Amino acid sequence: GAGVSQSPSNKVTEKGKDVELRCDPISGHTALYWYRQSLGQGLEFLIYFQGNSAPDKSGLPSDRFSAERTGGSVSTLTIQRTQQEDSAVYLCASSPQGSSYEQYFGPGTRLTVT
Amino acid sequence: DQQVKQNSPSLSVQEGRISILNCDYTNSMFDYFLWYKKYPAEGPTFLISISSIKDKNEDGRFTVFLNKSAKHLSLHIVPSQPGDSAVYFCAATKMNRDDKIIFGKGTRLHILP
Repeated sequence: GAGVSQSPSNKVTEKGKDVELRCDPISGHTALYWYRQSLGQGLEFLIYFQGNSAPDKSGLPSDRFSAERTGGSVSTLTIQRTQQEDSAVYLCASSPQGSSYEQYFGPGTRLTVT
Repeated sequence: DQQVKQNSPSLSVQEGRISILNCDYTNSMFDYFLWYKKYPAEGPTFLISISSIKDKNEDGRFTVFLNKSAKHLSLHIVPSQPGDSAVYFCAATKMNRDDKIIFGKGTRLHILP
């Protein structure tokens, strides 16, 4: 079946512009996560959606970052007024209810802020 | 504050030998631990997990050992194969709270011919 998909795969933007990154989770998966991986760094947790519960936003690095998950499915991560330090690979993952611990990752979006 | 630590950024192992990747955690509330494998330009893929009620879980060439008193876990790969060359991430969570998963920074494993 279809896995987690993310778009775009690559995004180059100028400093100060806003960007939107999209994640399509596996159908039926109730949990959705966003992470980022900066060059030479590990996976940094950003935000976590679980069903209808309020999202866990504790990993968002600043108020320029926000995310939505519409209808319990597709999610969009928005970065406003991008900075060069936002350059990273942004990874989305989903997991099914009752097995939230084994996440299925998408291929990521590589964001470059120039 | 790094709750999951992988102190070796890289490791080189001869093909056919045992690879041992280590991970330490600081939060005693963690009760479920996972290992993920990542190839370049791909997302991580789940490899193996272990609950805190066990001290060992084996799946083919992969075995994870958990030492709760030391807050330490390790992934053993034996025998190591060229396709095992990848970045390995250790992760931990609180299963009973359906909490988020915290990842370490990863260890890059090179399998030498």
